[in-house]
Amino acid sequence: QKEVEQNSGPLSVPEGAIASLNCTYSDRGSQSFFWYRQYSGKSPELIMFIYSNGDKEDGRFTAQLNKASQYVSLLIRDSQPSDSATYLCAVSPDDKIIFGKGTRLHILP
Amino acid sequence: NAGVTQTPKFQVLKTGQSMTLQCAQDMNHNSMYWYRQDPGMGLRLIYYSASEGTTDKGEVPNGYNVSRLNKREFSLRLESAAPSQTSVYFCASSEIGAGGKNIQYFGAGTRLSVL
Repeated sequence: QKEVEQNSGPLSVPEGAIASLNCTYSDRGSQSFFWYRQYSGKSPELIMFIYSNGDKEDGRFTAQLNKASQYVSLLIRDSQPSDSATYLCAVSPDDKIIFGKGTRLHILP
Repeated sequence: NAGVTQTPKFQVLKTGQSMTLQCAQDMNHNSMYWYRQDPGMGLRLIYYSASEGTTDKGEVPNGYNVSRLNKREFSLRLESAAPSQTSVYFCASSEIGAGGKNIQYFGAGTRLSVL
């Protein structure tokens, strides 16, 4: 069964520090990788996607992909209280997406 | 431009009642999806539709039926609701691009309680 694993947290990070979120996946054929942010009571919203090995940066966010290790990570620099949310890692091996259960991130003021 | 619209936002049902959750998207996407989200379980795929006229089962299809009415609309029906179907339901749509690019856009969700 295709799986996406994340630490459920909560991960507590001081304001201004770097938050590091990690994810592993089981299907080596996966081609697309996503990070969604979900605030409590709201729907998931896409914040990053990555298709190639290496790093992809967008503002304070950096997604990192290592297909050999089947590992995806998300770094959030200069963490803000508004970054407090659940972060869902998602992997697309075919025409569907498999979501991890999410990591709760709490930014400490 | 509304994106993905779900109705209703909240619903309370009694065991055995039926209801249909509606979803419509205005982004001209071919693919549409229905998920349920339960505490500690993440998002689980119920059914999806890769294109108008086609539907396929996801991870947790039992107790549900779907209809892809046209390219815009994808409905989810509970024929005989059970307490185990108490959940938050999300509809999503996407346009799958080259290399498996599958960026999904979500509706606001329907919070369903079955008593």
